[in-house]
Amino acid sequence: GESVGLHLPTLSVQEGDNSIINCAYSNSASDYFIWYKQESGKGPQFIIDIRSNMDKRQGQRVTVLLNKTVKHLSLQIAATQPGDSAVYFCAESLGGNKLTFGTGTQLKVEL
Amino acid sequence: GAGVSQSPRYKVAKRGQDVALRCDPISGHVSLFWYQQALGQGPEFLTYFQNEAQLDKSGLPSDRFFAERPEGSVSTLKIQRTQQEDSAVYLCASSLSPAGEQYFGPGTRLTVT
Repeated sequence: GESVGLHLPTLSVQEGDNSIINCAYSNSASDYFIWYKQESGKGPQFIIDIRSNMDKRQGQRVTVLLNKTVKHLSLQIAATQPGDSAVYFCAESLGGNKLTFGTGTQLKVEL
Repeated sequence: GAGVSQSPRYKVAKRGQDVALRCDPISGHVSLFWYQQALGQGPEFLTYFQNEAQLDKSGLPSDRFFAERPEGSVSTLKIQRTQQEDSAVYLCASSLSPAGEQYFGPGTRLTVT
C-alpha cells in the first residue's frame, strides 16, 4: 500500500540503539501533548502523552520530554527494535479535544 | 475488546459523486472525532461530537462536507459532489471522556477519479 511516510523526514537507526525523534509545536497555549505511531495502512496508535505541568514522562522503553520555553517535544525510544519502524507524529491540544498533528518523522530500524 | 471500526476501508468515487463514510466507535465512548489525512502528512481535524451533539465543525473544508451522529454512537461523514482534492484517508477516533485518550480506527482511503 501507499506509504504514510512519503516525503517525510527520515531517521535511520541500528537495531538496539536509542532513537530520538523531535517535534516543534505551534501553540504556546497547548496544554496536552501526545506521541502517536502510525504504520502503513493503519490509524495512529497512542504511545505516550504528557501534560504541560510536566517536563518529562516515562513509559515502557519510551520517554517524552517537553520544553515549553522553546515549544519543543521529543520522543526517546530505548533499544530500538524492528517493530518500531513506522511514522511518528506529535500532536498538541488545548483542553484535550481536537488534536493538531505535526509533520511526522519516518523511523527506519536497520538490522 | 473491539476497537474503532470504519467502513468501507477503500472507496473509489468519480468526481461529482456523493460518498458516505461510516465510523463505529468503541462502545460507551462519549467523544468522536473525524480527521483527514493527505498522503505524507499528519491528520487534520475535521469535526468533533460529544454524544450526539456536534460541538466543533471548524475543520470541515467546505459545505460539501457533513457529519452526523444521531444516536450518539455510530457516525457518518458525508461528502457531496466529490472533488479530486477530497482524495485522502479519513480517520475516525473516539474517546471515553471529552479530554481522554483518542483511539483511532484504520481509516477509509477515498480516491476521487
